[in-house]
Amino acid sequence: GAVVSQHPSWVICKSGTSVKIECRSLDFQATTMFWYRQFPKQSLMLMATSNEGSKATYEQGVEKDKFLINHASLTLSTLTVTSAHPEDSSFYICSARGLSGGGNTGELFFGEGSRLTVL
Amino acid sequence: GESVGLHLPTLSVQEGDNSIINCAYSNSASDYFIWYKQESGKGPQFIIDIRSNMDKRQGQRVTVLLNKTVKHLSLQIAATQPGDSAVYFCAESEGNKLVFGAGTILRVKS
Repeated sequence: GAVVSQHPSWVICKSGTSVKIECRSLDFQATTMFWYRQFPKQSLMLMATSNEGSKATYEQGVEKDKFLINHASLTLSTLTVTSAHPEDSSFYICSARGLSGGGNTGELFFGEGSRLTVL
Repeated sequence: GESVGLHLPTLSVQEGDNSIINCAYSNSASDYFIWYKQESGKGPQFIIDIRSNMDKRQGQRVTVLLNKTVKHLSLQIAATQPGDSAVYFCAESEGNKLVFGAGTILRVKS
C-alpha cells in the first residue's frame, strides 16, 4: 500500500528554537497533505491543509506564523514550528491524498508521526 | 467546524469476547465515516469505512454500523485479540478534510 514517511520520528529541542518536520509520500504523488497535532490521551486535531504549490489553509486557532507549512512538491510537505515553547510539545502527524484519490477521504494515508519535545 | 466527541473512555474486554466501540458525531451533513486504529507512538491505521447511504458494512472481524437518525457510529470487533489493544477513533469527512472523534482506548485482557 501507499506509504507516507515522516522525519524525524522524534526530536528534542530547546525553547526558542525552530524545528522542521518533513512529510513525504514515497510511492505516490500527493496533491493534498494534512497536518494534525495530538496531545497525550487526546484526539488528532487538524492544524492545516496543504496543497502543492499554494498557501496552506489553517484551521481556526492555529497560528500560521508559528506553524509554517510548505508544500513545494507533490511528494513533500514540511511543517516548521518556529520559536518552539514547551506547550508546543506534541505528536505531529501528517496525512496525504494521492492524485487519484478524488473525493474519497478513505484514500488518505497517514505518516507514523513525529514526537516533538521542547525543553 | 463541529467536533466529533471530546473524551477518551476506556473499554476493557476479555480476549475472545466481542468489542463494541461507539462514536457520536455532530455534523448531520457528513456523508462518509472511517474508523482508525492507533497504537502507541504510531500514526492512525485505516480499519473500515462507510458511506451515509449504508447502515452496515462488514470487514474481516470488524463491522461498522451507522445510525444517521441519532448520528451514531459503532465499530464491532469479533473475537477480540490482544493485538487489538489500541486507541480507536472514528472520523467524519467534512469536505476535503477529516475530523476525528475523541477516541476510545481498547484494552484486551488475556
